Amino acid sequence: EAQVTQNPRYLITVTGKKLTVTCSQNMNHEYMSWYRQDPGLGLRQIYYSMNVEVTDKGDVPEGYKVSRKEKRNFPLILESPSPNQTSLYFCASSFELADTDTQYFGPGTRLTVL
Amino acid sequence: TQLLEQSPQFLSIQEGENLTVYCNSSSVFSSLQWYRQEPGEGPVLLVTVVTGGEVKKLKRLTFQFGDARKDSSLHITAAQPGDTGLYLCAGADTGGFKTIFGAGTRLFVKA
Repeated sequence: EAQVTQNPRYLITVTGKKLTVTCSQNMNHEYMSWYRQDPGLGLRQIYYSMNVEVTDKGDVPEGYKVSRKEKRNFPLILESPSPNQTSLYFCASSFELADTDTQYFGPGTRLTVL
Repeated sequence: TQLLEQSPQFLSIQEGENLTVYCNSSSVFSSLQWYRQEPGEGPVLLVTVVTGGEVKKLKRLTFQFGDARKDSSLHITAAQPGDTGLYLCAGADTGGFKTIFGAGTRLFVKA
């Protein structure tokens, strides 16, 4: 089954404790992206990757890091989480970012930073 | 940065009513997409509109892209409780690699 998987689905942590949210897709997609979703703000793009070893900042990259060492994986790293990073996070992938390409979203990771 | 403004933010209607959701921008987009998101899940693509003036239909849902490619609308005919959810519009930034989302319209259809 074609899908985007994220782990963990739920995470409660404390300020300053490094964490990684994993994202994996099995569709051989080139484009992958991370979003955060906050009430009233919709989805905001954190980072995206156009291919292996090619990443770039989205609209809200501060406090986050990503890596794309393999085509299928695109982990999101929070080196020193803070309470303002409490949010619902989504990973997405598409074959490329053409006008007609579908972005497939993972199920989301709800992160709470105390 | 390009912005997409959605309206209304919240809509509560009775089953059988019609409704329209709007997605507006001062910028031109090469395409706009509409997604639907249910609680606890990621957004799922409904449709992509590419050509100015384009109209696409998906059963009771009608999507339109403005002639100038700055706005789009989603019209639902005879809404049903199963249409309840968060509707999001999205577009590719003119640079081509960023995706911009509207804040969403939360629709609740009462039986």
